[in-house]
Amino acid sequence: DSGVTQTPKHLITATGQRVTLRCSPRSGDLSVYWYQQSLDQGLQFLIQYYNGEERAKGNILERFSAQQFPDLHSELNLSSLELGDSALYFCASSVAAGGNSGANVLTFGAGSRLTVL
Amino acid sequence: AQKITQTQPGMFVQEKEAVTLDCTYDTSDPSYGLFWYKQPSSGEMIFLIYQGSYDQQNATEGRYSLNFQKARKSANLVISASQLGDSAMYFCAMRENNNAGNMLTFGGGTRLMVKP
Repeated sequence: DSGVTQTPKHLITATGQRVTLRCSPRSGDLSVYWYQQSLDQGLQFLIQYYNGEERAKGNILERFSAQQFPDLHSELNLSSLELGDSALYFCASSVAAGGNSGANVLTFGAGSRLTVL
Repeated sequence: AQKITQTQPGMFVQEKEAVTLDCTYDTSDPSYGLFWYKQPSSGEMIFLIYQGSYDQQNATEGRYSLNFQKARKSANLVISASQLGDSAMYFCAMRENNNAGNMLTFGGGTRLMVKP
């Protein structure tokens, strides 16, 4: 158990629908990251939050949004779902927001597998 | 241009032998970090080893070592005494100091299969 909790583990939904993925970071970690892993795109960085504020943005679609709450858990909202959104969505957490230190390793959750039919 | 390149989509290794997984990277940032993660068939991403760009010695963690050749911009993962449980996808990743956050950029991965 990495200490990063993601729910749900699996989700099947239809095109056009909206889903919310939830992540609780490891105890003590202030930074949360969302990644998307698909067969054709590989592991893509979506967005990072640090202590409730957006820190960095990657290849996140406008149909997707995220936030980090005061208790540091984060949610990734995916709307107007398309077949191509089917993927494994990872949440990761780390202690700090930046800096190159071996101590600032990203710890990943087990992922939420989204299937859009 | 790809920031992280893993040229071996798949590799076989005999149990108990050593194996090297290749990773080359591209950055103009003098300060960066290199990571290797393992993804077994169950799907989770497991951190294996870290190398900082200013580290003088190659990183080692148990059976894992990182062969860091800065001038060649390569950061190959060496797994000694392979075990059946090492069968998995392996991802090389880089964090550049000049990015706003702390995110990692990942390579395409190498699937390692350990033969009994």
